[in-house]
Amino acid sequence: SQQGEEDPQALSIQEGENATMNCSYKTSINNLQWYRQNSGRGLVHLILIRSNEREKHSGRLRVTLDTSKKSSSLLITASRAADTASYFCATDKDSWGKLQFGAGTQVVVTP
Amino acid sequence: GAVVSQHPSRVICKSGTSVKIECRSLDFQATTMFWYRQFPKKSLMLMATSNEGSKATYEQGVEKDKFLINHASLTLSTLTVTSAHPEDSSFYICSARHSGTGGRQETQYFGPGTRLLVL
Repeated sequence: SQQGEEDPQALSIQEGENATMNCSYKTSINNLQWYRQNSGRGLVHLILIRSNEREKHSGRLRVTLDTSKKSSSLLITASRAADTASYFCATDKDSWGKLQFGAGTQVVVTP
Repeated sequence: GAVVSQHPSRVICKSGTSVKIECRSLDFQATTMFWYRQFPKKSLMLMATSNEGSKATYEQGVEKDKFLINHASLTLSTLTVTSAHPEDSSFYICSARHSGTGGRQETQYFGPGTRLLVL
């Protein structure tokens, strides 16, 4: 089973609005990563946040990590139609770098 | 950022044939590559870990004789789906982990995926 679980499963917003999605996991982690996938394409790495970090920013993206609650959130501010994609969180399973992916959040941004 | 390519991007084959998918890290060396499978509107499922110069390690439930993995160099891993059947139809994605040190090693870079359709 997937360790990372995202909610909501789907999110529909209008351009300019913020989009927030959450990820929960069950076991301890070294880091947590967020990826974006456009339909039928590969994954694009967005942000990696380490277990000793609480918040990270990259452009319009903001990721938080709460290891006590075993959860992370991804915030996309001022969304654009081009942000329409599926977003996955992934936790590292072991030191070899195996990733366990959540079910993903499908985000649709309408103009 | 680092680039990973996959070839072919899509392939249609007849049931019973074998299909080889290549995964290349174009501008970095990758000691470790991973192969994932993704069903429509689903998440990625790790199939196996490909280690350069050694045998691949497979996740539980993945048939190693069905999905042959070869990691002959630091920039190339191949996945061969042997005797493919319609249920093997899926989206196969590889990723490569940078062999360097520090933060780059933690990040995995994904290929664009290969869509396999077995008739």
